[in-house]
Amino acid sequence: RKEVEQDPGPFNVPEGATVAFNCTYSNSASQSFFWYRQDCRKEPKLLMSVYSSGNEDGRFTAQLNRASQYISLLIRDSKLSDSATYLCVVNKGYSTLTFGKGTMLLVSP
Amino acid sequence: DTEVTQTPKHLVMGMTNKKSLKCEQHMGHRAMYWYKQKAKKPPELMFVYSYEKLSINESVPSRFSPECPNSSLLNLHLHALQPEDSALYLCASSQNGFGQETQYFGPGTRLLVL
Repeated sequence: RKEVEQDPGPFNVPEGATVAFNCTYSNSASQSFFWYRQDCRKEPKLLMSVYSSGNEDGRFTAQLNRASQYISLLIRDSKLSDSATYLCVVNKGYSTLTFGKGTMLLVSP
Repeated sequence: DTEVTQTPKHLVMGMTNKKSLKCEQHMGHRAMYWYKQKAKKPPELMFVYSYEKLSINESVPSRFSPECPNSSLLNLHLHALQPEDSALYLCASSQNGFGQETQYFGPGTRLLVL
């Protein structure tokens, strides 16, 4: 099983749609989980941390299921500017993050 | 705007050249990182500095040499690179380097080795 696994997509959705991304991780000892977004030829930027209780930031909701080792990201009311690659990131241990390969989202008018 | 800055934005070098990439952060963080990212791949960790000491070297070839002059500066010295080293080199920083921390990335240096 890969350390962090994501569906690469692309997910093609119209503006206003709701879209969900999933991610699984293999290391049950992982403690920290993040979603980063990366635009083409730019650096990854933190979208949100993921907490056990789930957390919401505007149109974005992240969930963590430790038992299934599964993380999700829900985007409501998609905007054109949401088009990007979404990276699922899990800490591997001291100072070390493991990145998934990313899921590409394309939002069209 | 990112508080992690990197220079240069772009770099083209020959296989016999020596060059350096520079990174600076203004957040008072004590951990800094170098990552390498190839097209359509996720970032791969190269080095971690925590409190100006090298704490992780992910078996990176010696043609890449990191240096941390102080807690806000991180350099990556390049010598005798190969064309396959062409990539986006990202610098990141975090609070202390004790895991479970958010890492903040600089805009990267896009390197082309001819």
